[in-house]
Amino acid sequence: AQKVTQAQTEISVVEKEDVTLDCVYETRDTTYYLFWYKQPPSGELVFLIRRNSFDEQNEISGRYSWNFQKSTSSFNFTITASQVVDSAVYFCALNTGANSKLTFGKGITLSVRP
Amino acid sequence: DAGVIQSPRHEVTEMGQEVTLRCKPISGHNSLFWYRQTMMRGLELLIYFNNNVPIDDSGMPEDRFSAKMPNASFSTLKIQPSEPRDSAVYFCASRGTGGSTEAFFGQGTRLTVV
Repeated sequence: AQKVTQAQTEISVVEKEDVTLDCVYETRDTTYYLFWYKQPPSGELVFLIRRNSFDEQNEISGRYSWNFQKSTSSFNFTITASQVVDSAVYFCALNTGANSKLTFGKGITLSVRP
Repeated sequence: DAGVIQSPRHEVTEMGQEVTLRCKPISGHNSLFWYRQTMMRGLELLIYFNNNVPIDDSGMPEDRFSAKMPNASFSTLKIQPSEPRDSAVYFCASRGTGGSTEAFFGQGTRLTVV
């Protein structure tokens, strides 16, 4: 069985603050893939990043960074200097193979106030 | 590529009517997912196909729901008869070969059953 837990449900910050969105996953598989998606108010689901279980290297893309730690089964997402346009629902997801389903967490609603 | 195409974008129907949602996946993708999103339950996986074959339909709520994928370029999700509690946004997503690739989502169909 696979499971993704996003314990935070709603986060509100003021523009320019840094914010970290937590994601904890569960799987018995040794090979798996983790994803983050963004759902802005317009409703579409936008892919942000993919990480393989055998690659724990953290990644930075502009104001976005991801911290993958197998020891704690976490794949956290940090937005530096948040902006109003970052306001969205953010989903963490897990997949364990070609024939496995893509399991999503409940999502975190991020509100960035001007 | 045009991305995953869903139709209709919005559907309003009366309770008891049959509803058919359609999805055209990205060409070359071999996995297709149907998700339902509601405020209460978040993103739920209803069913997914691999190479046009249903792999896991355990998320289909009840017999009123059925899904087909007659070929690699088309899938339908049918609700018959529809009920007000089926009101939700239904997303279709497709994924390329292998579990490591990300899934791409359509714009969704907002279904309202009155």
